Amino acid sequence: QSVLTQPPSASGTPGQRVTISCSGSSSNIGSNTVNWYQQLPGTAPKLLISSNNQRPSGVPDRFSGSKSGTSASLAISGLQSEDEADYYCAAWDDSLNGPVFGGGTKLTVL
Amino acid sequence: QLQLQESGPGLVKPSETLSLTCTVSGGSISSSSYYWGWIRQPPGKGLEWIGSIYYSGSTYYNPSLKSRVTISVDTSKNQFSLKLSSVTAADTAVYYCARHLLGSSKVDPWGQGTLVTVSS
Repeated sequence: QSVLTQPPSASGTPGQRVTISCSGSSSNIGSNTVNWYQQLPGTAPKLLISSNNQRPSGVPDRFSGSKSGTSASLAISGLQSEDEADYYCAAWDDSLNGPVFGGGTKLTVL
Repeated sequence: QLQLQESGPGLVKPSETLSLTCTVSGGSISSSSYYWGWIRQPPGKGLEWIGSIYYSGSTYYNPSLKSRVTISVDTSKNQFSLKLSSVTAADTAVYYCARHLLGSSKVDPWGQGTLVTVSS
């Protein structure tokens, strides 16, 4: 049971816009920034969005993040086949005194 | 470019101690502000933070694993290590080492990960 709640799956067709939600609590998302990770099959997670809505160098602007209260969202526009991956949200948890992760969302490009 | 690489046995017997080392290259483990952590991912499941260490030796552990975990650092070798005692099949996972700031879930970079299987 992950501390942050994500839908287990999401899907879309090429070119579409999809969003992935992440729900937490006042001790994590409510008081700290959210980061998003992309994990391609058989590889380590890669930082996709930092500090709620910042894209690291090299991440296409098709990816965007937002946060409101104790929830956050990742949006992917202009969906491409190479976006098929698992996506994880994360936030520091003040009670745990460590980072917590969502259970991951498997994105399928139909 | 900072890189992290995990090393250690891929198979551990139940009740024994899992030991892994992470070697940091392309930068110093003694960099201020950064913590060095271990995160694991059971097959087909999500990510779980195990614990983190500062170069001075200050540690933070996930309370759910704290009684079994020890993380140490060797600044002379630019390495940090994980020991997880009394392992069971539930500890079978890909173990990643990574860097993050204290108070932040911004984990970057990650090591490539190493699969540790607990089985007799």
